[in-house]
Amino acid sequence: AQSVSQHNHHVILSEAASLELGCNYSYGGTVNLFWYVQYPGQHLQLLLKYFSGDPLVKGIKGFEAEFIKSKFSFNLRKPSVQWSDTAEYFCAVSLYSSASKIIFGSGTRLSIRP
Amino acid sequence: DGGITQSPKYLFRKEGQNVTLSCEQNLNHDAMYWYRQDPGQGLRLIYYSQIVNDFQKGDIAEGYSVSREKKESFPLTVTSAQKNPTAFYLCASSAGQPGRTEAFFGQGTRLTVV
Repeated sequence: AQSVSQHNHHVILSEAASLELGCNYSYGGTVNLFWYVQYPGQHLQLLLKYFSGDPLVKGIKGFEAEFIKSKFSFNLRKPSVQWSDTAEYFCAVSLYSSASKIIFGSGTRLSIRP
Repeated sequence: DGGITQSPKYLFRKEGQNVTLSCEQNLNHDAMYWYRQDPGQGLRLIYYSQIVNDFQKGDIAEGYSVSREKKESFPLTVTSAQKNPTAFYLCASSAGQPGRTEAFFGQGTRLTVV
């Protein structure tokens, strides 16, 4: 069965530190990839998405992610985090062969120390 | 404003009772989804529907049922057969087509069964 793995369950950083959250998926075919963010008490929001083309995608609020097909990975990065980045982050995969099915990882809780 | 409306925000039910959670979207999206969110487990797919009058089981469909009689609506019934129904339920929709598969989420319904 297809799956999405986020190995970091809780990450704690100081402001201005660099961030990298890991995401790996298991599926051999073509995929669409997403990162979503859930700020405390708010909707899940789309941070960025990859469908095709340049494997380095940029999203909102200074986030970016790199799709490495050979590693089945789509890691999320930000050069310098802010206290307002405190949230839960979810990686998700949509299988191209079944465009409607979207599978999420277990999430990574990010805490930023002011 | 276009979006996804879930109601109610909080729901309390007695054990053994069925309960139906509402989800309506006005985004003209073909695909709709129900996820369950539990701490540390991310979002797990319950059911999804790619078009009207069609739906598929997700990873944790047991104890749940859905219908998709209208494009705008995708209600979820939590039946008495669901062993651990207390959870946060999220509804989402997407265009459901290759290149347009990102999901948009509602605010969620927190169900507590006592």
